[in-house]
Amino acid sequence: DAGVIQSPRHEVTEMGQEVTLRCKPISGHDYLFWYRQTMMRGLELLIYFNNNVPIDDSGMPEDRFSAKMPNASFSTLKIQPSEPRDSAVYFCASSLRIYEQYFGPGTRLTVT
Amino acid sequence: QQPVQSPQAVILREGEDAVINCSSSKALYSVHWYRQKHGEAPVFLMILLKGGEQKGHEKISASFNEKKQQSSLYLTASQLSYSGTYFCGTDLGSQGNLIFGKGTKLSVKP
Repeated sequence: DAGVIQSPRHEVTEMGQEVTLRCKPISGHDYLFWYRQTMMRGLELLIYFNNNVPIDDSGMPEDRFSAKMPNASFSTLKIQPSEPRDSAVYFCASSLRIYEQYFGPGTRLTVT
Repeated sequence: QQPVQSPQAVILREGEDAVINCSSSKALYSVHWYRQKHGEAPVFLMILLKGGEQKGHEKISASFNEKKQQSSLYLTASQLSYSGTYFCGTDLGSQGNLIFGKGTKLSVKP
């Protein structure tokens, strides 16, 4: 299995621009999680889906953030408009039921 | 709600043992342990569930005290490859939405 796939791996954008991060979970997994990691705040859960349905988005910091999962093999996290404080590494993870989560390689986002 | 990990950092020589602790103020359904190497993604080590079920790598051992909402990860006969930051993630309600601690940085020296 290829594991969780994320793209792009690195993204540099200017403040105010729209950013879209993409994730392909492991086939057969029914949970998908989006995390953000920074030195200051650590690893934070933003939102998670079960069978493509958003279950809890209480971790999404602001209305500027949105996430979708149109089908079992694809999810996006969008930031619009982006701000410098959004700079972080964004991880997508998937799991079968509530057991071990497999993390993707992450997207390093820099907003200037 | 964020679990508290201790110690924050530890330095070992190869072959030495270490214990990393994770404590929550809330009743837990499960505790998950992950290791992250610099510049890489977290990697699953173990899950301990309420009621005693455990699932993880054979060489990793951990405990979960449900009454005290505490978990400990035991690293024995450490190897250089054990170096990294260890995170515990706590799940309050069996949904898998984890709250991670700030991590324990482990450095194993030759």
